[in-house]
Amino acid sequence: EVQLVESGGGLVQPGRSMKLSCTASGFTFNNHDMAWVCQAPKKGLEWVATISYDGSDTYYRDSVKGRFTISRDNAKNTLYLQMDSLRSEDTATYYCTRALWFDYWGQGVMVTVSS
Amino acid sequence: DIQMTQSPSVLSASVGDRVTLNCKASQNINKYLNWYQQKLGEAPKLLIYNTNNLQTGIPSRFSGSGSGTDYTLTISSLQPEDVATYFCFHHNNWPLTFGSGTKLEIK
Repeated sequence: EVQLVESGGGLVQPGRSMKLSCTASGFTFNNHDMAWVCQAPKKGLEWVATISYDGSDTYYRDSVKGRFTISRDNAKNTLYLQMDSLRSEDTATYYCTRALWFDYWGQGVMVTVSS
Repeated sequence: DIQMTQSPSVLSASVGDRVTLNCKASQNINKYLNWYQQKLGEAPKLLIYNTNNLQTGIPSRFSGSGSGTDYTLTISSLQPEDVATYFCFHHNNWPLTFGSGTKLEIK
């Protein structure tokens, strides 16, 4: 059974950093691109970033370029999202999902950026 | 960036109705269009990928169609458990974008 489990969310002050993790199981992690998608409270879904199966390629939405870094450790079956210079508008639930088709999703982790 | 516009934003229908949800892209997305269902408090679930391919385990009452810029999700016979918000999503090129969603309610 495919499982994606996010961790690392919580309350953080504007301008500070936070790192999310997503541990995968039930499939061959290093065969799949992976992605992060976020959802602000009572809002729609927004793609955040994607990383290729081997970590060699990364893609970001414009609003997070230069602030967020997606990475992976295939030996640990883990996906990461390093979020720096956080802003109030980054407040959202962050989902880890398996690319290309976003066919499996984690349960999500809430990130609240507030002073 | 490609904009995805969904209509209607809210749809109310009766159990057993045939329901159609629409998604329009601001440019040709070459059928790289997925549909997701999100129930309250849950993560999204993939229903349809690449316009008309039913994801494993999804009931056959769900179907997708379209081409170019215009795409449709159809539920052939609405069930109570279909109450949810439905999002379309394109993966034709970067940046990937979702539609704003259609909230489906039961009358």
